[in-house]
Formats: sequence, C-alpha cells, structure tokens
Amino acid sequence: QQQVKQSPQSLIVQKGGISIINCAYENTAFDYFPWYQQFPGKGPALLIAIRPDVSEKKEGRFTISFNKSAKQFSLHIMDSQPGDSATYFCAASRGNEKLTFGTGTRLTIIP
Amino acid sequence: DAGITQSPRHKVTETGTPVTLRCHQTENHRYMYWYRQDPGHGLRLIHYSYGVKDTDKGEVSDGYSVSRSKTEDFLLTLESATSSQTSVYFCAISESGLAGYNEQFFGPGTRLTVL
Repeated sequence: QQQVKQSPQSLIVQKGGISIINCAYENTAFDYFPWYQQFPGKGPALLIAIRPDVSEKKEGRFTISFNKSAKQFSLHIMDSQPGDSATYFCAASRGNEKLTFGTGTRLTIIP
Repeated sequence: DAGITQSPRHKVTETGTPVTLRCHQTENHRYMYWYRQDPGHGLRLIHYSYGVKDTDKGEVSDGYSVSRSKTEDFLLTLESATSSQTSVYFCAISESGLAGYNEQFFGPGTRLTVL
C-alpha cells in the first residue's frame, strides 16, 4: 500500500528551467515532509523539509510548496543546473513514527 | 557519507546461501537502520536498532535478521537468500529517534544480486 505517491517517475529539464516534482499522501496525520536527494552510487541525503503549519519553504534554489487541503506537496528547483541531476525522494512521517518514502523521481538536467 | 561505511559494496550470491551485510559508523549515533531500495518502491525499512542489542522490525522484515553487538556496527543477515532479495541495501543512522524529523544519514549502499 503506497501511502506517498510521487510523480513523475522521470523528468528531463533544460538548464536554467524549473524542475517540479509532486507528491500526494493519504494519511492526514502526517506532520513532517522531507525531500531527499540521491546521486548515483551514493546514499540519499536530506535536501529540505517542511511541516504542515506553513505553505512554503525556500532554501536557495529549492522550494517546497505544501497544500494541506489537497494533501499534496511539491519540490521546485529554480534555475536547474546539471549538478542537480539526481534521484529525488519525497517522504512523510507522523509523530514518532518512521519515514514513508515515495518511489523516487530521476531528474536529468540537459545543457 | 557522514562516517558510515558498508561492506561489501557489491555481492553476487546464489539462492539459498546465507549473506551478511555490515554497516559501520564512526558518529556514535544511537539509531541505525537497514533499508532496501527497489525500482518502483523507493526506500523501505527492513529493521532498525535503537541501541546495543535493541532492534525492531520494519515494514519488510521477512527473510532478514539483524544484530547489533556494538554501537558502531549493525549487521543484516539473509539466512537463505532468494532472488526477491536482489536489491540495493542502505544503512542509515540518526542521532535520536525513529521519527522522520530526526535527520537520517545514509551510507553508500550495497548492491546485492541473488542468482
């Protein structure tokens, strides 16, 4: 049972463009929503995270937008660069419980 | 990779053989985790440990066992490997708590192929 649905599975964006990855969740008790970034041959690493008391969080070129009523959150990468090419995972958790990960999006930034 | 090493990094084995994967950390973090990563499934928690000799099951624990005799080492054992256990295995650590908001630091992964 997939509690966090992530789309698209793969994404190709031109350098300088905006990359957008979407996630939808079912459990309204989730209260923490991180994004992890994974480069080939490496383990995932925390990129940015948000709690449902805010609708947006920005760190540099990376922004999480959160829509509580729609039970959706998304990652926006502004001015996408080739170095952003990686697999991105959204995740969610509630309280003291474990993370539930999305299925991942392979992002490729082309020159 | 935040002071986490995994060994071996690659392994090919045959169905029915036992396999042990090792995770070693130098961060002295209390919590350690084993995940498997498969296309279409993301990362799924196999087992985790919240201290020496203290372990618990994750969502896909069948066919796996773990042990933690020292703070720095967490072993994952496949008693009798099956082809469905072909995957990339990641170890992770966190300073405190299973909860998602406690940032987890991941190792480089072990690619296991069961023929």
